[in-house]
Amino acid sequence: QITLKESGPTLVKPTQTLTLTCTFSGFSLTTGGVAVGWIRQPPGKALEWLALIYGNDGKHYSPSLKSRLTITKDTSQNHVVLTMTNVDPVDTATYYCAHRQNSAFDYWGQGTLVTVSS
Amino acid sequence: QTVVTQEPSLTVSPGGTVTLTCASSTGAVTSGYYPNWFQQKPGQAPRPLIYTTSNKHSWTPGRFSGSLLGGKAALTLSGVQPEDEAEYYCLLYYGGAWVFGGGTKLTVL
Repeated sequence: QITLKESGPTLVKPTQTLTLTCTFSGFSLTTGGVAVGWIRQPPGKALEWLALIYGNDGKHYSPSLKSRLTITKDTSQNHVVLTMTNVDPVDTATYYCAHRQNSAFDYWGQGTLVTVSS
Repeated sequence: QTVVTQEPSLTVSPGGTVTLTCASSTGAVTSGYYPNWFQQKPGQAPRPLIYTTSNKHSWTPGRFSGSLLGGKAALTLSGVQPEDEAEYYCLLYYGGAWVFGGGTKLTVL
């Protein structure tokens, strides 16, 4: 079955770079049309879509965060990594990764809470 | 900046029917926006319900249905159950990027 799990630091200082890893199983990013995306949710607030990567290395980013985000993949290791530069306390959120196929975000990780604070 | 708008809150009686909508600041929502709908309960990850307007996942209860209604994407719950009380989010596609709506808090009372 398809599973995804996010990992990374729980606490990051302002201005630092945040690196999150999504480790998945049950599917291959080399399969046509399959992608992995990142979504976040600040405490008590709405979901926000961040980025998406395909097996052919095609990438898409949220226009409002594009300058700060980089998404990469390691197909052999079944990892997708999201990097966010110059973090701020407003970036405090639960970060989720999700499997996307046939325009459906159908499987999600449990999420990882990242707090940005000095 | 593209904005996706949902009703902030709705209340429905058990057994009743309610429709949640999802509008785009760019104009009418069509099937090309591939609307997705998610349910989220406190402390849980979002649970996918509907994709590409009206397609259900294998785990989606039959009382949930998706459609296009008056230029918006819509999620209809028929025969609402107490366990349907949750936050509901729509997600729309904009030629590469995706945008979530602000969510609708559904109260079953």
